[in-house]
Amino acid sequence: GNSVTQMEGPVTLSEEAFLTINCTYTATGYPSLFWYVQYPGEGLQLLLKATKADDKGSNKGFEATYRKETTSFHLEKGSVQVSDSAVYFCARLTGGGNKLTFGTGTQLKVEL
Amino acid sequence: EAEVAQSPRYKITEKSQAVAFWCDPISGHATLYWYRQILGQGPELLVQFQDESVVDDSQLPKDRFSAERLKGVDSTLKIQPAELGDSAMYLCASQGSLTGNTEAFFGQGTRLTVV
Repeated sequence: GNSVTQMEGPVTLSEEAFLTINCTYTATGYPSLFWYVQYPGEGLQLLLKATKADDKGSNKGFEATYRKETTSFHLEKGSVQVSDSAVYFCARLTGGGNKLTFGTGTQLKVEL
Repeated sequence: EAEVAQSPRYKITEKSQAVAFWCDPISGHATLYWYRQILGQGPELLVQFQDESVVDDSQLPKDRFSAERLKGVDSTLKIQPAELGDSAMYLCASQGSLTGNTEAFFGQGTRLTVV
């Protein structure tokens, strides 16, 4: 089926450390892929997206590359900050109605 | 800045009672979604509207859940009767167009606790 699998958390890093959150998807074809971020007590915000293979989405220092050969869309950031502490969701479009299918979320904690 | 408005932010209700949530999408957005997010999981779609019509309600537990968007603008999600397992965050999102991969904007959600 159409699903999204992301690494379990929580991920705890020191400030300025390198971040990778893995995400893989199952699909037929090449769905649009997204990373959403959810800060404590808030709704989801789109962080970045990629709509076709080999696209790289980037925003606020975060990057993710759509890799069709490994069906992956890993999220990376070179130097995390305490303010990046949040839950990160990988998602894909499913079906013709633009429904989003989300992964289970990865909590990131960044400490001083 | 335009945003999706949801109310209430928090709701505590006893099981078997009725509860309702309200969502006002970004002005002009034809597509509206209700998602349910159980603690520790990703959001799951309950219902999708295009204007006032339901496009997808395949995951909506229709024996107790109902959703409407009568004038194609704001929307109400109702649960009657509420069960303990309905405790979750209910998120509303809206989207301007289904073409061109436009972004879906989410509200802050309603956190429901059923006791």
